[in-house]
Amino acid sequence: NAGVTQTPKFRVLKTGQSMTLLCAQDMNHEYMYWYRQDPGMGLRLIHYSVGEGTTAKGEVPDGYNVSRLKKQNFLLGLESAAPSQTSVYFCASSYVGGHYNEQFFGPGTRLTVL
Amino acid sequence: SQQGEEDPQALSIQEGENATMNCSYKTSINNLQWYRQNSGRGLVHLILIRSNEREKHSGRLRVTLDTSKKSSSLLITASRAADTASYFCAGGSNYQLIWGAGTKLIIKP
Repeated sequence: NAGVTQTPKFRVLKTGQSMTLLCAQDMNHEYMYWYRQDPGMGLRLIHYSVGEGTTAKGEVPDGYNVSRLKKQNFLLGLESAAPSQTSVYFCASSYVGGHYNEQFFGPGTRLTVL
Repeated sequence: SQQGEEDPQALSIQEGENATMNCSYKTSINNLQWYRQNSGRGLVHLILIRSNEREKHSGRLRVTLDTSKKSSSLLITASRAADTASYFCAGGSNYQLIWGAGTKLIIKP
């Protein structure tokens, strides 16, 4: 099993450009999450999904959109990138709600917005 | 807003010594989890302790939870160079995990 994979691993954008980050998991997990990690800070939840076709806002959702059209995939979109969105983005999944069970993480996407 | 706060922010010890990291949180939780992150990598789950548990062991790891003080500690015994990493606590509630800023642990050979 590949676990949780993320595409791409690195990306540089100019202010105002758009992009989509792809997360895929092969563990048949119901729950999926998108986090951002900034230097000296813990993870902050952007959006999450409790099942196919559902999404919900996390702690820092502004400037991001998500979709969960298939159970195994969770997409994070930036419609108009801003320098404040420079960060490392992590996707995670869990069998049931993360407040009961462990979350499995992807390797991260390092995004720089110029 | 971050729920968990780790202490210390950084810790440097000699190989073979024990490492203790502390975590405090603000609101009610269902469980408290600890994760490890090696430099430039994703996070890996280490151990989960439920709110009705006081202590849990896994290999060289020992976790305690004091819900009255809203605090947890992670003890790594007989540290190894491979334990060099950042360690994060995360409190579980309302379908989410709220994360602390982490403790950076350096094991000196």
